[in-house]
Amino acid sequence: SQTIHQWPATLVQPVGSPLSLECTVEGTSNPNLYWYRQAAGRGLQLLFYSIGIDQISSEVPQNLSASRPQDRQFILSSKKLLLSDSGFYLCAWSVGAKAFFGQGTRLTVV
Amino acid sequence: ILNVEQSPQSLHVQEGDSTNFTCSFPSSNFYALHWYRWETAKSPEALFVMTLNGDEKKKGRISATLNTKEGYSYLYIKGSQPEDSATYLCASFTSGTYKYIFGTGTRLKVLA
Repeated sequence: SQTIHQWPATLVQPVGSPLSLECTVEGTSNPNLYWYRQAAGRGLQLLFYSIGIDQISSEVPQNLSASRPQDRQFILSSKKLLLSDSGFYLCAWSVGAKAFFGQGTRLTVV
Repeated sequence: ILNVEQSPQSLHVQEGDSTNFTCSFPSSNFYALHWYRWETAKSPEALFVMTLNGDEKKKGRISATLNTKEGYSYLYIKGSQPEDSATYLCASFTSGTYKYIFGTGTRLKVLA
């Protein structure tokens, strides 16, 4: 069966520190992969999506980057976190008309 | 419409009332429209996957309709209960790019 793993579940990081959130998918190949963020009081904003290795689209200019080193692995990174990077980050994958979500990471930048 | 938009932004209803929300989405290159029930900082809970113009789906007291030509979908809740309180999100899939974009949601509060 298809599953998606996202970790860590919670993270507290100091301003200026690096970030790496990882998402892996099992049970499927060549999934479309997505990273979303919910900032305080707002909905889910699409940050990056990828339809294949080395095919990553960025939706909003920001302090974050994404990489897809393997077909089923999607990583969200930052070299130096800002306070405004705090929020809830959600990884998702899709195939056909179906979408599936990770459990999310609550990031607090202090 | 270039983005996915939902209205109203928030809604308070009394227990037993029926209610509905609107999702507007880009009608060009439409592939699918999803409805979710969402609690902040959790994974969205899937309600409906809608792909065909004129689709009507129902799950208990919740139903949804789809108009792909004009780019809108309605979600209906009949006889609202306090446990229906949540944010309801729609998300639009675009063919070709496979972009999957959420609306900002409708926050529903059902008062006992």
